[in-house]
Amino acid sequence: DADVTQTPRNRITKTGKRIMLECSQTKGHDRMYWYRQDPGLGLRLIYYSFDVKDINKGEISDGYSVSRQAQAKFSLSLESAIPNQTALYFCATSDTPGNQETQYFGPGTRLLVL
Amino acid sequence: SQKIEQNSEALNIQEGKTATLTCNYTNYSPAYLQWYRQDPGRGPVFLLLIRENEKEKRKERLKVTFDTTLKQSLFHITASQPADSATYLCALSSGGSYIPTFGRGTSLIVHP
Repeated sequence: DADVTQTPRNRITKTGKRIMLECSQTKGHDRMYWYRQDPGLGLRLIYYSFDVKDINKGEISDGYSVSRQAQAKFSLSLESAIPNQTALYFCATSDTPGNQETQYFGPGTRLLVL
Repeated sequence: SQKIEQNSEALNIQEGKTATLTCNYTNYSPAYLQWYRQDPGRGPVFLLLIRENEKEKRKERLKVTFDTTLKQSLFHITASQPADSATYLCALSSGGSYIPTFGRGTSLIVHP
């Protein structure tokens, strides 16, 4: 089984709808992240969490919210989806660093907002 | 502002040759630098990490160099194979949270 899983893998929604993307991990890592990837723009950090009680905004948090339900689960919500949120979304984890922040990515969720 | 630059043009090489990808950065003092591989529609996969006090790191056919004076890392794949075709991302981490910032990646295409 994959260490980092994301559901759904693909999603089509309409402008204004609320949607949730879910991420689960079995690696036992404390740190979890949400990124989006757009062609030509690379990976951009949306939110991150260093433990269950810790939530931090990343580079592009506007229009998104997150919930860290447990060490293993980190959800990303789009409260009111808009077309420019169409992108590939990745969840990632990393262990508490001993100055080595290697990230482990999920398979991604492809989101299309019409 | 901080910037990470990777060649946006795809690198096309012949099977068996050495592929060399470049990562340049400005306004960073990275503690370490990582390289990831990403296949289409899939998440990036970690390949190698090199620290600021290291000049070179090797793993099988992969070699990474890190020149903090030039603010550049080179990523080499020797004896390249068509299966090495993918996009390669570099990522820099600075002190503090060490959360990596990713470059946009360079696509490598190895022709048989």
